[in-house]
Amino acid sequence: QQPVQSPQAVILREGEDAVINCSSSKALYSVHWYRQKHGEAPVFLMILLKGGEQKGHDKISASFNEKKQQSSLYLTASQLSYSGTYFCGSFYNQGGKLIFGQGTELSVKP
Amino acid sequence: KAGVTQTPRYLIKTRGQQVTLSCSPISGHRSVSWYQQTPGQGLQFLFEYFSETQRNKGNFPGRFSGRQFSNSRSEMNVSTLELGDSALYLCASSLAGPGREQYFGPGTRLTVT
Repeated sequence: QQPVQSPQAVILREGEDAVINCSSSKALYSVHWYRQKHGEAPVFLMILLKGGEQKGHDKISASFNEKKQQSSLYLTASQLSYSGTYFCGSFYNQGGKLIFGQGTELSVKP
Repeated sequence: KAGVTQTPRYLIKTRGQQVTLSCSPISGHRSVSWYQQTPGQGLQFLFEYFSETQRNKGNFPGRFSGRQFSNSRSEMNVSTLELGDSALYLCASSLAGPGREQYFGPGTRLTVT
């Protein structure tokens, strides 16, 4: 039931764009995105409910394709502060538990 | 509002011992979830408590247990420690459960020797 994230790691230059994907083999109720900087706790980014909505957070946005049970996180014009590990979390039903993917390590270089 | 606090921040224990970790959620939050984080396994869900009741449990052995008090503070206990229990233990609080935005504490780094 653990969602699969890809890629596992990505290195960017400042100003470049990146996409992180999260796929589930089971029907999702919602997808959650968190970012964890080295040595810090994970921080909430956004939640996407089933329905294909797209959300934004500064220059970070995400979409949820209910048909494919897949979510994508878009980072545009990346900044050094975007570096960290991004986790998607799959939530399958109300009252259930949040299952995190393995994480995608993003490094933004000057 | 004060954030989620966890104590202690660091612990070193010996195999076979037991340990208790504590988590104080954000004021007003009734849900507390616990996660184990290791380099190889990522963030793994342990259990979630809401209003003193365990609502969900992950796939961990019975050596891992928890509880929640009436003030929403939560504790988790690991008995008969094994080397493989060395990890960062994170707790997260939310208003209604993990389906909502969660706020993570700084974690307790447990090392088992």
